[in-house]
Amino acid sequence: NAGVTQTPKFRVLKTGQSMTLLCAQDMNHEYMYWYRQDPGMGLRLIHYSVGEGTTAKGEVPDGYNVSRLKKQNFLLGLESAAPSQTSVYFCASRYGIGTGDQPQHFGDGTRLSIL
Amino acid sequence: QQQVKQSPQSLIVQKGGISIINCAYENTAFDYFPWYQQFPGKGPALLIAIRPDVSEKKEGRFTISFNKSAKQFSLHIMDSQPGDSATYFCAAEDYGGATNKLIFGTGTLLAVQP
Repeated sequence: NAGVTQTPKFRVLKTGQSMTLLCAQDMNHEYMYWYRQDPGMGLRLIHYSVGEGTTAKGEVPDGYNVSRLKKQNFLLGLESAAPSQTSVYFCASRYGIGTGDQPQHFGDGTRLSIL
Repeated sequence: QQQVKQSPQSLIVQKGGISIINCAYENTAFDYFPWYQQFPGKGPALLIAIRPDVSEKKEGRFTISFNKSAKQFSLHIMDSQPGDSATYFCAAEDYGGATNKLIFGTGTLLAVQP
């Protein structure tokens, strides 16, 4: 049981390049989230999904796109990377809003630098 | 109204001391208040959480105190240990509401000196 797995762990891009970050969870969770973490700003929600085939915008969605074609995977895309997108990206998943409190489970992050 | 304000930004405590981190919120619809702990190079992990129907919740050395009228909640770490050195995030959510989103504070970097 791996939990939430993010790939890659590190990446360096040049401005204007594109890339996709992959998040995979093996807990059969309905909800998945993408956050970015920057010094002094905490965790800010980029996009999220409440089920396969659905996505929604979070707090800072500009410059990012997402897809949830399979329940276990949530992809975050950068179409044209900008230096302002240099950050640590975290994926999280959650069983759903059911009986009992359901915490978010986080991966260990992808450290992305854009030159 | 969606913000969660967290203080202090950083905290240094001696081993065996009490660490206290405070958070405040505005949105009265928030009804779920978790604390997450993050070690360097790792993702955040749930530490303890509280619902507003109780004023305090304790799990081992960690206690959440909740003041609904003041819209404030705090994390107390008793007998702080060097292994507690980490970044702590408070969060709030309208659990079961339309948004299904946690709003995080900006984090507190705790260093426990031996």
